[in-house]
Amino acid sequence: DGGITQSPKYLFRKEGQNVTLSCEQNLNHDAMYWYRQDPGQGLRLIYYSQIVNDFQKGDIAEGYSVSREKKESFPLTVTSAQKNPTAFYLCASSKSTGLNQPQHFGDGTRLSIL
Amino acid sequence: QQPVQSPQAVILREGEDAVINCSSSKALYSVHWYRQKHGEAPVFLMILLKGGEQKGHEKISASFNEKKQQSSLYLTASQLSYSGTYFCGTESASGATNKLIFGTGTLLAVQP
Repeated sequence: DGGITQSPKYLFRKEGQNVTLSCEQNLNHDAMYWYRQDPGQGLRLIYYSQIVNDFQKGDIAEGYSVSREKKESFPLTVTSAQKNPTAFYLCASSKSTGLNQPQHFGDGTRLSIL
Repeated sequence: QQPVQSPQAVILREGEDAVINCSSSKALYSVHWYRQKHGEAPVFLMILLKGGEQKGHEKISASFNEKKQQSSLYLTASQLSYSGTYFCGTESASGATNKLIFGTGTLLAVQP
């Protein structure tokens, strides 16, 4: 079955450490997204990518970086510059970034600080 | 600008109805609705396009009032499986990409 796989499910970060969250999709979707979700909050867009080797900052990109070397993969790195990284991170994809495209989500990665 | 959802939370008995609203101060092209169960991925329910379209999905339907820039999600004869947090995501009429802005969610709890 096609879908989006995020790993790991739980991740712990030490002070000053960079960590990378994995997101892989086999839906053949062009567009991919990373969201951050804090308790009781909606989803906030970190980065999105419309096509391989191209990505744009979302609303809260500071302290994060991404790459899109393959269509299927869109890893997110939480850098040490992100001072409050504890959150639930969701990866999503859609056929394209054209209007009116539903987004399909992975099961998320819960990141905590040690 | 983030859309406003109301109510923030609602508790229902099985079989009761509920309405969740999503309002924006910006002109919208469309409104997406998603449901998220605790600790899980949001699941796509439906998209409403400007033009006052109404859509249905099982006993869940929605409408989009373009004049008010508001969408309403209707849950009829609720079931236990409807429990979760409902999010609306809005696409701006001035935008050209599927960059959604999500509301803060409405927590729905259906009790037996």
